[in-house]
Amino acid sequence: AQSVTQLGSHVSVSEGALVLLRCNYSSSVPPYLFWYVQYPNQGLQLLLKYTSAATLVKGINGFEAEFKKSETSFHLTKPSAHMSDAAEYFCAVTDGGSGGSNYKLTFGKGTLLTVNP
Amino acid sequence: NAGVTQTPKFQVLKTGQSMTLQCAQDMNHEYMSWYRQDPGMGLRLIHYSVGAGITDQGEVPNGYNVSRSTTEDFPLRLLSAAPSQTSVYFCASSRSLAGAFNEQFFGPGTRLTVL
Repeated sequence: AQSVTQLGSHVSVSEGALVLLRCNYSSSVPPYLFWYVQYPNQGLQLLLKYTSAATLVKGINGFEAEFKKSETSFHLTKPSAHMSDAAEYFCAVTDGGSGGSNYKLTFGKGTLLTVNP
Repeated sequence: NAGVTQTPKFQVLKTGQSMTLQCAQDMNHEYMSWYRQDPGMGLRLIHYSVGAGITDQGEVPNGYNVSRSTTEDFPLRLLSAAPSQTSVYFCASSRSLAGAFNEQFFGPGTRLTVL
């Protein structure tokens, strides 16, 4: 069974500072990994995804994440935070199994990012 | 394209009442799913479908029924609502081509309160 652990339910940074949101996964097969963002009172939007093509993945809004198999991690970073980045961020994993199982996303519990002026 | 739409946006029920949350997508996606979101719990999969006529249970299926008669629609039914079903419900869809790494598109959510 696969699982995702997001370290830190709440991260607070100053505008212009580095954003680092941590995600560790557990999977018995090579995983597909995703970061989603949820702005207040909205649905989830895909930021980026890892599908084994490249270990450093670039997403929208200046975010990127690096897949590190040795550390079973997929941390999300952004060099300089903007006020508009304030949202909740979810890491998710799915395996490459056959049939319906390969569509089942397992989400972490989320990290709320606050950006201070 | 409207993407994934959900109705209603808000609903208040009394314990024991039944209702159906509607979900529709106009992207011809084969895969559709329902999640519930609770504070500090992330999103948990309730039911999913890989195509019309095919449904399966997710992580938290108890108290919910689904059916998939068309590619476009995937309604979620609460037969006898309980306070524990107070949550925000999200519907999502994706293409089925080579599966797992296809982006899932989420609807705006339905906020349900059961008194």
